[in-house]
Amino acid sequence: NAGVTQTPKFQVLKTGQSMTLQCAQDMNHNSMYWYRQDPGMGLRLIYYSASEGTTDKGEVPNGYNVSRLNKREFSLRLESAAPSQTSVYFCASSEAVGEQYFGPGTRLTVT
Amino acid sequence: GENVEQHPSTLSVQEGDSAVIKCTYSDSASNYFPWYKQELGKGPQLIIDIRSNVGEKKDQRIAVTLNKTAKHFSLHITETQPEDSAVYFCAARSGYKLSFGAGTTVTVRA
Repeated sequence: NAGVTQTPKFQVLKTGQSMTLQCAQDMNHNSMYWYRQDPGMGLRLIYYSASEGTTDKGEVPNGYNVSRLNKREFSLRLESAAPSQTSVYFCASSEAVGEQYFGPGTRLTVT
Repeated sequence: GENVEQHPSTLSVQEGDSAVIKCTYSDSASNYFPWYKQELGKGPQLIIDIRSNVGEKKDQRIAVTLNKTAKHFSLHITETQPEDSAVYFCAARSGYKLSFGAGTTVTVRA
């Protein structure tokens, strides 16, 4: 039981490049989330998926897209990376509105 | 939307002393208040939570109190140990969304 896994762990992009962050959970949770963490700002919700087939915007969705591929997987895409998207990205999952379990994070630097 | 404020931003305590972190929230519809601990290079991990129909909850050296009227909740760690050194986040949930405080870096001095 790996919990929540994220790939890659580290990534460096140039401004304008695109990439997809992958997240998978093996706890059979219905809900999945993407957050970004910046110094002094806690975690901010980018997008969430309450159940398979649905996605909704969070607090800071601009510049991102998401796909709930199936119940296990929830990906985050940056179409045209900007330096302001340099951050640590966390994926989380939960059973409906229960406790959220977080992955280890992806550290992204955009130059 | 929900706004969660957390204080202090840093806290240094002597081993064996207590640590207290306080949070306030703005959305009266929030009904679930978890606390997360984050160690360096890792994702946040839930350490304790409290629901809106409860005023206090304890788990060994950790306790959380909630005052719904005043919209604030607090984390208390007693008999602190070096392994308690980490960043702690409070959060408040309304619907599916968790709103986090900015975090408190706790350092336990030996």
